Amino acid sequence: DAGITQSPRYKITETGRQVTLMCHQTWSHSYMFWYRQDLGHGLRLIYYSAAADITDKGEVPDGYVVSRSKTENFPLTLESATRSQTSVYFCASSGQINQPQHFGDGTRLSIL
Amino acid sequence: AQSVTQLGSHVSVSEGALVLLRCNYSSSVPPYLFWYVQYPNQGLQLLLKYTSAATLVKGINGFEAEFKKSETSFHLTKPSAHMSDAAEYFCAVRTDSNYQLIWGAGTKLIIKP
Repeated sequence: DAGITQSPRYKITETGRQVTLMCHQTWSHSYMFWYRQDLGHGLRLIYYSAAADITDKGEVPDGYVVSRSKTENFPLTLESATRSQTSVYFCASSGQINQPQHFGDGTRLSIL
Repeated sequence: AQSVTQLGSHVSVSEGALVLLRCNYSSSVPPYLFWYVQYPNQGLQLLLKYTSAATLVKGINGFEAEFKKSETSFHLTKPSAHMSDAAEYFCAVRTDSNYQLIWGAGTKLIIKP
């Protein structure tokens, strides 16, 4: 099925570990986004990408790294995980910047 | 700077009653406005969007929203609540000058039987 998929759905790791969250979309959308969702904060943008090899920081980029070598993939890496990065992470995509964003089902990340 | 305020982190209504979820935005230029819904353990789904055409926008599942420039509001309504409407609802705003969607903190809608 076409769509946007995130993996893993659930992840538990320890502080200091590196962890990568995967995002794959089958629409060939140009724009992709990473958000984190925390109680009381709504959605906060971490990074976004306008096309392959073009990425830019959002509201809360510190501690995260992204890459986009292919249009369909937009992985998010926590290079050295901290407890404050415990959150639910959502990936989204849109064909044009003024079009609605389509969301994956999220990754629930717990850092012990 | 743009911002979005959703009044009420929780709204409780009886089944069959009117649903009203409030969203106010601040923007110095004409905005694009969106309402999304999130069911438990799922991502966000688009309910409806305002893009400067009609001020009354109809969405999925019987929801609609009215853009009122003078009040800088984009409240979401549904005439008759259904148990399946229980979810969290998010309002978001964007302008042509900024790629980013600015999100409200969300309103959890509770439906009482």
